[in-house]
Amino acid sequence: QVTLRESGPALVKPTQTLTLTCTFSGFSLSTSGMCVSWIRQPPGKALEWLARIRWDDGKYYSTSLKTRLTISRAPYPDQVVLIMTDVDPADTATYYCARGAAAPGTFDFWGQGTLVTVSS
Amino acid sequence: DIQMTQSPSSLSASVGDTVTITCRASQNINTYLNWYRQKPGKAPELLIYAASTLQSGVPSRFSGRGSGTDFTLTIRSLQPEDFATYYCQQTYSTSDTFGQGTKLDFK
Repeated sequence: QVTLRESGPALVKPTQTLTLTCTFSGFSLSTSGMCVSWIRQPPGKALEWLARIRWDDGKYYSTSLKTRLTISRAPYPDQVVLIMTDVDPADTATYYCARGAAAPGTFDFWGQGTLVTVSS
Repeated sequence: DIQMTQSPSSLSASVGDTVTITCRASQNINTYLNWYRQKPGKAPELLIYAASTLQSGVPSRFSGRGSGTDFTLTIRSLQPEDFATYYCQQTYSTSDTFGQGTKLDFK
């Protein structure tokens, strides 16, 4: 059974660094073709893809946010971490992690999301 | 980045109706196009991948077509759970992009 779960602070102050963790089970990120991505959704707005890490440790980032993002993996427990620097109120959103298996960007399993509010 | 434009932005229909949502890419993306349904307060669910392949477990009333720059999602015989927001997503480039969404609500 594939599951993903996001965790992180609910509230961060502007200019701070946000660290989000995706803890997953039911699959191995070491399996060829497997990926985990982060996607966010501001309240009432559309989905925005942020970053991806592949089975071979390849890393890809949103063009508009790449200078502020770092994605990495921790092998035990199975986790993927996203770090976003210098946050702004515009970064207020629900942050999701999702698995890509059939193809890197084809997200067949999602976490339930975690709402992060950026406010002083 | 490749821009994805969905139309319409919102759509009203009734249970049992058939509706079609369109997604246009700013450049050729072959068939690297997925469709998701998002119910209020929930994570998105994958419906269609590679433009026309139905994800396992998704009802056959959902179908997708298209290639290149123009794509459609058709939902036949709308069910109550289908009143939600739909997103297309291109995976042609290493930087994925989503459309702005189409909200389907009750007429």
